[in-house]
Amino acid sequence: EAGVAQSPRYKIIEKRQSVAFWCNPISGHATLYWYQQILGQGPKLLIQFQNNGVVDDSQLPKDRFSAERLKGVDSTLKIQPAKLEDSAVYLCASSDRGTGGTGNTIYFGEGSWLTVV
Amino acid sequence: DAKTTQPPSMDCAEGRAANLPCNHSTISGNEYVYWYRQIHSQGPQYIIHGLKNNETNEMASLIITEDRKSSTLILPHATLRDTAVYYCIVRPRSANTGNQFYFGTGTSLTVIP
Repeated sequence: EAGVAQSPRYKIIEKRQSVAFWCNPISGHATLYWYQQILGQGPKLLIQFQNNGVVDDSQLPKDRFSAERLKGVDSTLKIQPAKLEDSAVYLCASSDRGTGGTGNTIYFGEGSWLTVV
Repeated sequence: DAKTTQPPSMDCAEGRAANLPCNHSTISGNEYVYWYRQIHSQGPQYIIHGLKNNETNEMASLIITEDRKSSTLILPHATLRDTAVYYCIVRPRSANTGNQFYFGTGTSLTVIP
């Protein structure tokens, strides 16, 4: 079974530029998550989709971050304009029933490493 | 907010069992204990989870105390490839959002040759 795919793997941009990350979840997984992981910390949820609807975006900095999942499969996370503190790994993850139910599991991609200079 | 407490780092000799502790003293009856690990430059990898019974799979064993206030992840024969950060996570059975998958800072396990 193919895992969660992400691209690009690495990106370096200057502050105030924009960047976009793409994610393809595990086939059949209805729930998709974007996490931000700053060096030395655990991942922090930015946004969660159930199919193409947003379930939780309470920690997404909406003035500069946006995400969409138009057809309920692939997703794109955009940052515009980027700040130095956005330097982090952006992890996409998916699960087949959300996190409810009896012990549903979240599966992560390899991450997209962003450096803002 | 952190619901779990883990030591920041541990060492283990290659070939020996690695026992990683986790305290979750405020766990409630409907909350699961999950373990993930993150090898450098990779995304977190699911290891195992449990509710109240001990669990075992091909990667590890999970021992949960009877009062469920703590647990131990056991890697029976640690190899160098097990060097990683290990996260213990408590999340509600009825969780609807990944925000309730709180990772904290984990335990950095180093397997020594």
